[in-house]
Amino acid sequence: AQKITQTQPGMFVQEKEAVTLDCTYDTSDPSYGLFWYKQPSSGEMIFLIYQGSYDQQNATEGRYSLNFQKARKSANLVISASQLGDSAMYFCAMREGDGGTSYGKLTFGQGTILTVHP
Amino acid sequence: GAGVSQSPSNKVTEKGKDVELRCDPISGHTALYWYRQSLGQGLEFLIYFQGNSAPDKSGLPSDRFSAERTGGSVSTLTIQRTQQEDSAVYLCASSHKFITGTGPYNEQFFGPGTRLTVL
Repeated sequence: AQKITQTQPGMFVQEKEAVTLDCTYDTSDPSYGLFWYKQPSSGEMIFLIYQGSYDQQNATEGRYSLNFQKARKSANLVISASQLGDSAMYFCAMREGDGGTSYGKLTFGQGTILTVHP
Repeated sequence: GAGVSQSPSNKVTEKGKDVELRCDPISGHTALYWYRQSLGQGLEFLIYFQGNSAPDKSGLPSDRFSAERTGGSVSTLTIQRTQQEDSAVYLCASSHKFITGTGPYNEQFFGPGTRLTVL
């Protein structure tokens, strides 16, 4: 079974508008972390935002915010005021923690390609 | 400061040849991860190092794949008798040691990757 599901292979948004990229996850571990990474065409993976399973508030980092709905197991990324430079592949990832044996490895979704139109 | 570096950036090899991919983590990062990104499989975890030991090799796809880390720093991923299905981008990431509950302090920083093409 997929642990991380990103159902949108591609998304389009107009410059300066907001866009939401969907991510759902599946885990039985009560302690986990959710990450979003951006991968531009250059190939590097850029960390954007993190949400811990015990965090009470939704994470925000500048124009990025994470809409965390724990009961629904969703962790959608919201990008406000989109810019042309936001065009990239976006990955949702989960890190499960179970007292040490998870070793912090990330499980990634399939990614969403975001295209920002001028 | 220097980020994670990987070499070579591109590698083209013939089926059946061995290849070595190198990763230089961020100085001071004790944890090192190898991932593989391919069209059909997305991003997959391969192996994790803490210091020089590899407590989690669960993602290595076959015994043709091996990795080592020396001096708690540089890591080498070796693929023996390469096959066409090994073609992918191999990404290395490093972080401080993962400790449950310490949040983004354990953020993984990724290198630029090595694009491997097996002809």
